Amino acid sequence: KAGVTQTPRYLIKTRGQQVTLSCSPISGHRSVSWYQQTPGQGLQFLFEYFSETQRNKGNFPGRFSGRQFSNSRSEMNVSTLELGDSALYLCASSPFVTGASNEQFFGPGTRLTVL
Amino acid sequence: QKEVEQNSGPLSVPEGAIASLNCTYSDRGSQSFFWYRQYSGKSPELIMFIYSNGDKEDGRFTAQLNKASQYVSLLIRDSQPSDSATYLCAADNSGGSNYKLTFGKGTLLTVNP
Repeated sequence: KAGVTQTPRYLIKTRGQQVTLSCSPISGHRSVSWYQQTPGQGLQFLFEYFSETQRNKGNFPGRFSGRQFSNSRSEMNVSTLELGDSALYLCASSPFVTGASNEQFFGPGTRLTVL
Repeated sequence: QKEVEQNSGPLSVPEGAIASLNCTYSDRGSQSFFWYRQYSGKSPELIMFIYSNGDKEDGRFTAQLNKASQYVSLLIRDSQPSDSATYLCAADNSGGSNYKLTFGKGTLLTVNP
């Protein structure tokens, strides 16, 4: 079974631009969660989508948004990029809405650099 | 702000020794706790989770949970160089309606041959 895939793997943008990242979950998985990982803040939860609906949300500004399609693929959008948005963006999939017994499987990540 | 704290390390142990990784959490409502391993340049992978006080063993790994002390640990027995990685501890917020995991910043473990 193929794992979680994320595209693109690397991205360079300038301040003020916007960016869209894509995540395809493991086949049959309906939940996709997005995380931001930086050396200073570690791994931080952005939001989770299940059945095309945002179910859970972290503490990030409204510039960070996402959506999920009927085939469970998800996109994350960051508008008006700031230097501090430079990070590794990871998505994770699980069969159901994330819960105590649901293991999340992480994708390889998208490395975003904002200049 | 609910937090998960880990010693950033690096923690260095010789091959064959026991590596002990520690984690504390601030949210008393947390019910489940997770240990992830992340190799350099790779994505995190789940090692094990625990939700009951006491020990949970899986091969060379043992997770320990003490909810009264808000403390979680991971023991790696017979450490191997291939165990060298960053270990991330995470706690959930099962008591809330907006379920999410809060991660610590990770402990870098180096196992020396």
